[in-house]
Amino acid sequence: QVQLVQSGAEVKKPGASVKVSCKASGYTFTSYNINWVRQATGQGLEWMGWMNPNSGNTGYAQKFQGRVTMTRNTSISTAYMELSSLRSEDTAVYYCARSLYCSGGACYSMGYWGQGTLVTVSS
Amino acid sequence: QSVLTQPPSASGTPGQRVTISCSGSSSNIGSNDVSWYQQLPGTAPKLLIYSNDQRPSGVPDRFSGSKSGTSASLAISGLQSEDEADYYCAAWDDSLNGRVFGGGTKLTVL
Repeated sequence: QVQLVQSGAEVKKPGASVKVSCKASGYTFTSYNINWVRQATGQGLEWMGWMNPNSGNTGYAQKFQGRVTMTRNTSISTAYMELSSLRSEDTAVYYCARSLYCSGGACYSMGYWGQGTLVTVSS
Repeated sequence: QSVLTQPPSASGTPGQRVTISCSGSSSNIGSNDVSWYQQLPGTAPKLLIYSNDQRPSGVPDRFSGSKSGTSASLAISGLQSEDEADYYCAAWDDSLNGRVFGGGTKLTVL
């Protein structure tokens, strides 16, 4: 069965960077896009970007351009999301989510989700 | 301020049918498919509906989706207490070149 297992909670100081991992299993890692979505406490879902694990191509939400980097290590079926220049407003649960299906070169919906990683930014 | 607009709350009694709306524009719902996600308290979101009206395997047929123009709706029939959750719509936005979510609707089963 498809599983996405994320790294553990992190506490960072303002200005630092955080790198969250998402280890995939139960399917061919390079066949489906990985998205990253975050959720501040009591708030809604916010899409951060996507990555094609096969090509390494990425697309980031305008809000995070210049601060976020999505990468992967195909040998261990793991995707990474690194967010830099952290501020208190970045305190949130960060989720990785795999596309449900891909067709004609595009991938659709987010059908499988990791358990989430709490990132706390505090001085 | 979310790009997609949802009512912040909805409610119903067990057995009732409730609908949740999601309003967008020509650059998102008007030209791309809509997905719906259910988030139970303290858990990761779960895909309920994709491609406007398709259910992934394992999602009960009590849940249905529809789209018309620049709006979409999620309907839940035969409401159950375990349906109490937050519901989010999402779509790709061609102008923003990114995926956008609605602000979420908190469903209460009375």
